[in-house]
Amino acid sequence: AQSVTQLDSQVPVFEEAPVELRCNYSSSVSVYLFWYVQYPNQGLQLLLKYLSGSTLVKGINGFEAEFNKSQTSFHLRKPSVHISDTAEYFCAVSNGNKLVFGAGTILRVKS
Amino acid sequence: DTEVTQTPKHLVMGMTNKKSLKCEQHMGHRAMYWYKQKAKKPPELMFVYSYEKLSINESVPSRFSPECPNSSLLNLHLHALQPEDSALYLCASSQKGWDTEAFFGQGTRLTVV
Repeated sequence: AQSVTQLDSQVPVFEEAPVELRCNYSSSVSVYLFWYVQYPNQGLQLLLKYLSGSTLVKGINGFEAEFNKSQTSFHLRKPSVHISDTAEYFCAVSNGNKLVFGAGTILRVKS
Repeated sequence: DTEVTQTPKHLVMGMTNKKSLKCEQHMGHRAMYWYKQKAKKPPELMFVYSYEKLSINESVPSRFSPECPNSSLLNLHLHALQPEDSALYLCASSQKGWDTEAFFGQGTRLTVV
């Protein structure tokens, strides 16, 4: 079975500063990795995904993530955040049949 | 059209009521999913439909009954729910499985009174 650990429940950061949201996964088989964002009272929006190929994945809204197989990590980064990036971010892993989410990280961008 | 549409957006129901949640997509996706999300928690998988057949049921109580009438529609029938079933119910779809891009609807906020 696969599982996901998001190491930080909340990350406060000032506007225009860089941010990294950490995600580690465990799985006995090859996995597919995802980052989703959820704004208050909304559904989930896909930010980016790793299925295969290049380990550096670029997504929407200036986000990127790097797949590190040896460290079983898939950390999300953005070089300069905006107030509008305030939301909850979920890392998720799949073996192809089921999608399992981490507990989520709330990103709070302060002015 | 890359949308998954869920109706209604909000629903309040009594414990003796019967209601249904509806989910619709027109992207030709053959896998559809129901997730339940409690406040301040991640989404939890309830059901998976693949090619209109139920392929995964995560030991969900029988008071939740899914239905996939065709490849574009997914329903969740609710009966005799409990207050602890109050949550955001999310529908999602993907082309075939989670190795392809998946789209989530905006969810139905359910309150059981």
